[in-house]
Amino acid sequence: GENVEQHPSTLSVQEGDSAVIKCTYSDSASNYFPWYKQELGKRPQLIIDIRSNVGEKKDQRIAVTLNKTAKHFSLHITETQPEDSAVYFCALIRNAGGTSYGKLTFGQGTILTVHP
Amino acid sequence: EAQVTQNPRYLITVTGKKLTVTCSQNMNHEYMSWYRQDPGLGLRQIYYSMNVEVTDKGDVPEGYKVSRKEKRNFPLILESPSPNQTSLYFCASSLGPPEAFFGQGTRLTVV
Repeated sequence: GENVEQHPSTLSVQEGDSAVIKCTYSDSASNYFPWYKQELGKRPQLIIDIRSNVGEKKDQRIAVTLNKTAKHFSLHITETQPEDSAVYFCALIRNAGGTSYGKLTFGQGTILTVHP
Repeated sequence: EAQVTQNPRYLITVTGKKLTVTCSQNMNHEYMSWYRQDPGLGLRQIYYSMNVEVTDKGDVPEGYKVSRKEKRNFPLILESPSPNQTSLYFCASSLGPPEAFFGQGTRLTVV
């Protein structure tokens, strides 16, 4: 299947700092890029997503950027708070709208720790 | 309340003993999917379904079966479980990808 490389695997920041997580992919047919947050012992939650025809999307303190040419997309969290501590997963869908519309591939996850 | 319900939440079983993990959603979603989560590997898709009687393989379908006879239910079947299927399993549903609603998870141990 499609490969998604996610970095870093762990990220530690001080409260108020920014955090950036990056994912790279290889298949140019990938055209839908969601991000999920999973708190310890809980289920994943979709927090933001971006389509391939958009370069950036923001939702309050969270933003996602996409560089289709370089085949990478990133999650940006500004003014981090302790409750942002969780595992974050990037994901992608290849050919959304085509025959692989339902096949979702995840990155390996980033453990974000925000220290008060 | 909108929800995706998985059962059981925890299960310990022996190698080769057939088991079924149920998944039910009350949101009339057409799209449902199963994932396994293992440390360091993230979430890997097992099977997904775009609608009733329409299912397709994800990235790791070997050793699993699914069925979608009704819109609300999408059970995961392990015909002959093996220890390498010990994992945390999630069911999810949405009006369409990407998933918006995940179940609580099922922690399966095969000994």
